[in-house]
Amino acid sequence: EAGVVQSPRYKIIEKKQPVAFWCNPISGHNTLYWYLQNLGQGPELLIRYENEEAVDDSQLPKDRFSAERLKGVDSTLKIQPAELGDSAVYLCASSLGGLEGETQYFGPGTRLLVL
Amino acid sequence: AQSVTQLDSHVSVSEGTPVLLRCNYSSSYSPSLFWYVQHPNKGLQLLLKYTSAATLVKGINGFEAEFKKSETSFHLTKPSAHMSDAAEYFCVVSGSGYSTLTFGKGTMLLVSP
Repeated sequence: EAGVVQSPRYKIIEKKQPVAFWCNPISGHNTLYWYLQNLGQGPELLIRYENEEAVDDSQLPKDRFSAERLKGVDSTLKIQPAELGDSAVYLCASSLGGLEGETQYFGPGTRLLVL
Repeated sequence: AQSVTQLDSHVSVSEGTPVLLRCNYSSSYSPSLFWYVQHPNKGLQLLLKYTSAATLVKGINGFEAEFKKSETSFHLTKPSAHMSDAAEYFCVVSGSGYSTLTFGKGTMLLVSP
């Protein structure tokens, strides 16, 4: 079974530029998550989707971050404009139905460097 | 609200000696608890999880953890460390009926020959 796929794996941009990350979850997983992992820290949830609906986006900085999950499968996370402090790893995860105790499966992440 | 405290940022052991990574949690509900491992430039991999069944949970690669409600702890152990165990380990809590995970800050496990 294929795991969670993310692209690109690495991205270097200059500040104020836009950037987008793509995630393809495990087939059949209805719930998709985007996490932010700063250096030396654990991941923190940015947004959670149940199918195509964003059910928890309370931690997403909506002035510059946006996300979509069209057709309830693939998802894109965008930053516009990027700031120096956005340098981090962006992780995508998926699970079957978003229930407590469910295993979340993580992709390899996109490592973003903003210069 | 729920939180996780990993008591050590770094743990160093010699190959073949036991491993103990400590984790305390706080939750208003009966939590689900997980340990994930992250190797350099790799995704997070689930080691084991506790979801209110047996309090001693066995995971992959010889790891196990014991849920102790009275101590609000979920420490990760392994009898004998292997060089390939060197990685960062995250203790994670989930609760209140939703799958949202709250991660600890991680413990870096260093294994010397």
